[in-house]
Amino acid sequence: DTGVSQDPRHKITKRGQNVTFRCDPISEHNRLYWYRQTLGQGPEFLTYFQNEAQLEKSRLLSDRFSAERPKGSFSTLEIQRTEQGDSAMYLCASSQLDSWNTGELFFGEGSRLTVL
Amino acid sequence: AQSVTQLDSQVPVFEEAPVELRCNYSSSVSVYLFWYVQYPNQGLQLLLKYLSGSTLVESINGFEAEFNKSQTSFHLRKPSVHISDTAEYFCAVSKSNTGKLIFGQGTTLQVKP
Repeated sequence: DTGVSQDPRHKITKRGQNVTFRCDPISEHNRLYWYRQTLGQGPEFLTYFQNEAQLEKSRLLSDRFSAERPKGSFSTLEIQRTEQGDSAMYLCASSQLDSWNTGELFFGEGSRLTVL
Repeated sequence: AQSVTQLDSQVPVFEEAPVELRCNYSSSVSVYLFWYVQYPNQGLQLLLKYLSGSTLVESINGFEAEFNKSQTSFHLRKPSVHISDTAEYFCAVSKSNTGKLIFGQGTTLQVKP
């Protein structure tokens, strides 16, 4: 399978714990995005990278959230001191810069976080 | 600021009937428009897009959407739905080439036999 993969698919944690999600984009894609989706809502943009540079962060991304893409390949999204309001599906997507004209983001299946 | 409104949260329809999923957006600048689909237990997939040119765009599985600038709408239509079209449909807008999409709340299409 050469699509976007996310790990873990499900994570249950207690409030106050730290969690980390990993995203492996399609190998030739240089853009990587993180979105968050809560029940009954559409995905909300969190942040995106072009290669290893983090170019934009949403106001939704509080200080407890940090994303990295150290070598311009896979990315991690860490949430520190989790709160119940962090419970959501975290989606990763990738795209190729020079194919922007297709306007297509390729999404992974998501990592579902439940904070107890 | 941009926003996207999908007017129906759920649309039940019988197989082979026509369907329209409505989407309106607000933006003070020109935008790119998209419909994404999420089948059960799968990731979001691009269904169709409007970037420029012809205002009527089509997908490979019979869906079409028309960009209406005056009404700021991008409604999705299919003349005859199949059971396999049952899914969540998201309208999205972007005003730049960053790939940053603003999504609507989603519409669940439930096709009944």
